[in-house]
Amino acid sequence: NAGVTQTPKFRVLKTGQSMTLLCAQDMNHEYMYWYRQDPGMGLRLIHYSVGEGTTAKGEVPDGYNVSRLKKQNFLLGLESAAPSQTSVYFCASSFGGGGANVLTFGAGSRLTVL
Amino acid sequence: SQQGEEDPQALSIQEGENATMNCSYKTSINNLQWYRQNSGRGLVHLILIRSNEREKHSGRLRVTLDTSKKSSSLLITASRAADTASYFCATRPDQAGTALIFGKGTTLSVSS
Repeated sequence: NAGVTQTPKFRVLKTGQSMTLLCAQDMNHEYMYWYRQDPGMGLRLIHYSVGEGTTAKGEVPDGYNVSRLKKQNFLLGLESAAPSQTSVYFCASSFGGGGANVLTFGAGSRLTVL
Repeated sequence: SQQGEEDPQALSIQEGENATMNCSYKTSINNLQWYRQNSGRGLVHLILIRSNEREKHSGRLRVTLDTSKKSSSLLITASRAADTASYFCATRPDQAGTALIFGKGTTLSVSS
């Protein structure tokens, strides 16, 4: 039972390059989320999805796009990477939405933009 | 903006001591969750407390919730070196979308 798997685990980009982070879950969860974690800032929500084919903006969505073409996958794209997007990105999923639903997190993807 | 704020930001104790972390939040909630993050790893759910509960226990963990003060505390009793981690509270504010919002966390260091 893999849970939530993120790829890649590490990536270094140059400013202006694009890339996609992949999140896959095998728990048949409806909801999926992308957070970023920066020192002293905790976790901030980028985008989330409440089901296949749906996406919604979180607290810090600018510079990112997402897609949920399949229920088990949630992709996070950076169209034109900037140094401010250097961060650790976490994907999470949950069975339902709302405060009573427990999130299962991936191990994180560390992105450095030079 | 952060919904929850943990206090203290950092805490250092000896093995065997108790560790208490606090979380304050801004708007009314139905539930509050605590998560742990070991260095370099993803977050792991520890415990959920509902707004109609004052206290909840899970092993060496004790969580309290005071909705009138909009605050929660996490107590880890008889700490072990393996408890060294960052601890986050998470809430979903009423009428504020679907996703959990996390605080900035308390970093706990337990030395042997």
